[in-house]
Amino acid sequence: AQKVTQAQTEISVVEKEDVTLDCVYETRDTTYYLFWYKQPPSGELVFLIRRNSFDEQNEISGRYSWNFQKSTSSFNFTITASQVVDSAVYFCALNRAGGTSYGKLTFGQGTILTVHP
Amino acid sequence: DTGVSQDPRHKITKRGQNVTFRCDPISEHNRLYWYRQTLGQGPEFLTYFQNEAQLEKSRLLSDRFSAERPKGSFSTLEIQRTEQGDSAMYLCAVDGDRKNIQYFGAGTRLSVL
Repeated sequence: AQKVTQAQTEISVVEKEDVTLDCVYETRDTTYYLFWYKQPPSGELVFLIRRNSFDEQNEISGRYSWNFQKSTSSFNFTITASQVVDSAVYFCALNRAGGTSYGKLTFGQGTILTVHP
Repeated sequence: DTGVSQDPRHKITKRGQNVTFRCDPISEHNRLYWYRQTLGQGPEFLTYFQNEAQLEKSRLLSDRFSAERPKGSFSTLEIQRTEQGDSAMYLCAVDGDRKNIQYFGAGTRLSVL
């Protein structure tokens, strides 16, 4: 069985602060994918990033960066110089890379990020 | 725009009534998924289709739930004899151009009174 844990239920920061959202996962699969999605107040889940299990290179996209550490089963997400528009619920998710149930996403409970002006 | 349209966006119904939701991907996608999201929780997998074939159903999907994808394009999710516990956001997703990335529709929010 797969499991994703986002221990931070809510985070509140002031604009321009850096913030890190934690994600820890459990899986018995040797190959898998990890994801981050953003859910703004409108409700639509927006894809941010996909990382496969055999690529531990960290990734940076503008103000966003992701730190994948297989040894600790973590896939953390950092927003640098946060902005009010970053306020949303962020979900970490996991799925298998192949075999049965391929594609089925297992989500964490989400972290509510509020960025104050 | 993710290219996935869901209708209706909101549905209010009385307990015991039947409801049907529709998911329309703009372009062809082999795989289509349904998830349910209750307040304060992450989405939970319900079922998925590979073209017309329904390949997996979650234990969350009781006998009152049925899903179809008759022509391998749009999909419907029906809930019979709704219960208050069915109140949730129902999300549809499709695989994008890059395999194994799912793009979600805006969801249908169901309220059972």
